Amino acid sequence: GESVGLHLPTLSVQEGDNSIINCAYSNSASDYFIWYKQESGKGPQFIIDIRSNMDKRQGQRVTVLLNKTVKHLSLQIAATQPGDSAVYFCAENPAGSGTYKYIFGTGTRLKVLA
Amino acid sequence: DAGVIQSPRHEVTEMGQEVTLRCKPISGHDYLFWYRQTMMRGLELLIYFNNNVPIDDSGMPEDRFSAKMPNASFSTLKIQPSEPRDSAVYFCASSLGRWGRETQYFGPGTRLLVL
Repeated sequence: GESVGLHLPTLSVQEGDNSIINCAYSNSASDYFIWYKQESGKGPQFIIDIRSNMDKRQGQRVTVLLNKTVKHLSLQIAATQPGDSAVYFCAENPAGSGTYKYIFGTGTRLKVLA
Repeated sequence: DAGVIQSPRHEVTEMGQEVTLRCKPISGHDYLFWYRQTMMRGLELLIYFNNNVPIDDSGMPEDRFSAKMPNASFSTLKIQPSEPRDSAVYFCASSLGRWGRETQYFGPGTRLLVL
């Protein structure tokens, strides 16, 4: 459903610890998922993507996990650094929706504590 | 590559005025997207183009909004007349789109304030 107003959930993590950011997606037909990072005053920046025929994908310091059974996506950031502080969005691409239509989640703010 | 370029970065205007936002996609990208971001509604797709042709404009809020892409390196989003509720950050993004799903690369956005 549509949010009346957006209060971004915030995750506070100590520098050096691992971060886990979660996302529940809405459409069981979605078969492509992307994580974006948005720093203050900037546009969203691509981090990592995953297709529905996979349940895990690793990048540099980041791992995305996909659980299609419960329609859940997570982003794991290893050894979190101050530069990781940002808002993180998941996006889904429902198959057959028009290939290029992404549906973005509301975002999670990550705060890295020194 | 300079990435997606948007101008202006900030725009303050009065209600009723025409506003034109500009975007230069990454060279060689076939797809261009216009998004709007607000605290209330998050990031919403307004319209997207493939090879300069509008493909889906179902996200355009109303007739006051129009978008054009006269060539592969330039697109505009126009609001006429503007209203206070149009205040938001407007992002342009582009992608290759050669084989299906391609990463969308976003510009820095235009922060619009309509008084």
